[in-house]
Amino acid sequence: SAVISQKPSRDICQRGTSLTIQCQVDSQVTMMFWYRQQPGQSLTLIATANQGSEATYESGFVIDKFPISRPNLTFSTLTVSNMSPEDSSIYLCSGYLGKYNEQFFGPGTRLTVL
Amino acid sequence: DQQVKQNSPSLSVQEGRISILNCDYTNSMFDYFLWYKKYPAEGPTFLISISSIKDKNEDGRFTVFLNKSAKHLSLHIVPSQPGDSAVYFCAEGGSTSGTYKYIFGTGTRLKVLA
Repeated sequence: SAVISQKPSRDICQRGTSLTIQCQVDSQVTMMFWYRQQPGQSLTLIATANQGSEATYESGFVIDKFPISRPNLTFSTLTVSNMSPEDSSIYLCSGYLGKYNEQFFGPGTRLTVL
Repeated sequence: DQQVKQNSPSLSVQEGRISILNCDYTNSMFDYFLWYKKYPAEGPTFLISISSIKDKNEDGRFTVFLNKSAKHLSLHIVPSQPGDSAVYFCAEGGSTSGTYKYIFGTGTRLKVLA
């Protein structure tokens, strides 16, 4: 298994600002993903973080709003740009290990936008 | 459109009895179905998965059943313990068109009563 940590664990931000969330895995993983879980809803995939190339975004998510970096096989960042209250959510990163076709998740970052 | 549905938002079960959590999907382009457990303020934890070519997979107290004709997935927990109280998410996932993707249900909150 792998241990995934995220920073910050929570933050309260003002409208119009940006927040960068860091995700660190304790071992190399082939793929990393970023999810959003809005209140009372399921986990929605934002994008797949690709090492050394641009992230692959799901429908409804764009690079200008959610820029992602993945400089190596153990680290990724997600930036939530020009935030609005609708961006208030839990943001989760995950790594794919593939033993049982499963992902391991970080603890999440709880973001509140005022 | 890919959808994964968990129609029961909550379930209460007496300690020692069986917990059955259900999940329906519309179309499966993926190789695997998975179950995750989530405690408050933590990321989802992988529980068990099943390949689309199987109909049952067992791991200790957890058994997952896949009925492909009915497009139905279920998780059985026997015997249920108070520590099993959490939100359970089903998901389908795997490789499609060269990328990995996972689609999650909305979750079922299980409460095991002592």
